[in-house]
Amino acid sequence: AQSVTQPDIHITVSEGASLELRCNYSYGATPYLFWYVQSPGQGLQLLLKYFSGDTLVQGIKGFEAEFKRSQSSFNLRKPSVHWSDAAEYFCAVVTVGTGRRALTFGSGTRLQVQP
Amino acid sequence: DSGVTQTPKHLITATGQRVTLRCSPRSGDLSVYWYQQSLDQGLQFLIQYYNGEERAKGNILERFSAQQFPDLHSELNLSSLELGDSALYFCASSGTASSGNTIYFGEGSWLTVV
Repeated sequence: AQSVTQPDIHITVSEGASLELRCNYSYGATPYLFWYVQSPGQGLQLLLKYFSGDTLVQGIKGFEAEFKRSQSSFNLRKPSVHWSDAAEYFCAVVTVGTGRRALTFGSGTRLQVQP
Repeated sequence: DSGVTQTPKHLITATGQRVTLRCSPRSGDLSVYWYQQSLDQGLQFLIQYYNGEERAKGNILERFSAQQFPDLHSELNLSSLELGDSALYFCASSGTASSGNTIYFGEGSWLTVV
């Protein structure tokens, strides 16, 4: 069965600093990978996705992620963090069968941004 | 705005009661998913419907049921509610493979059981 691990439960960075959130997956076939963000009291917003092709994908709000098959990783990065980026970030993998697409989420990483 | 609409946004009810959460998927999306988010369990997949038929089941309790109607909207029914059912319930939708396997989420329905 597929699984997603986000090893960092909580990360604090200073505004303007760079950010990397880690995500490791376990999935036999080529994974479809996603990063979602959840602001306090809000729903889940899609940041970016990887299906195939270029292993470096660009998302919204200046985020990017790199798929590394050899490391089973899909880390999220941002060169300069803004205070509004404080939120919880979820990595997810989707299993794809005939019409069956169930997202498996990691446990999330809560990002705090210091002024 | 993801295009997925959920009602109600907030709901407070007593133990033992039954509630229905409603979801309208994005226009054209055939798949609807229900997820539960709680502090202790994180984001858990409950169930998926595709064009009116149940397609996949996750960690859904027997007290919970769902259906997808011909107009593709979906309802999640939660019965004999317990305190532990208090959570944020998300609906999500996705289109066909040709439109990508992206799953878009609604803003959720907050359920508080007292």
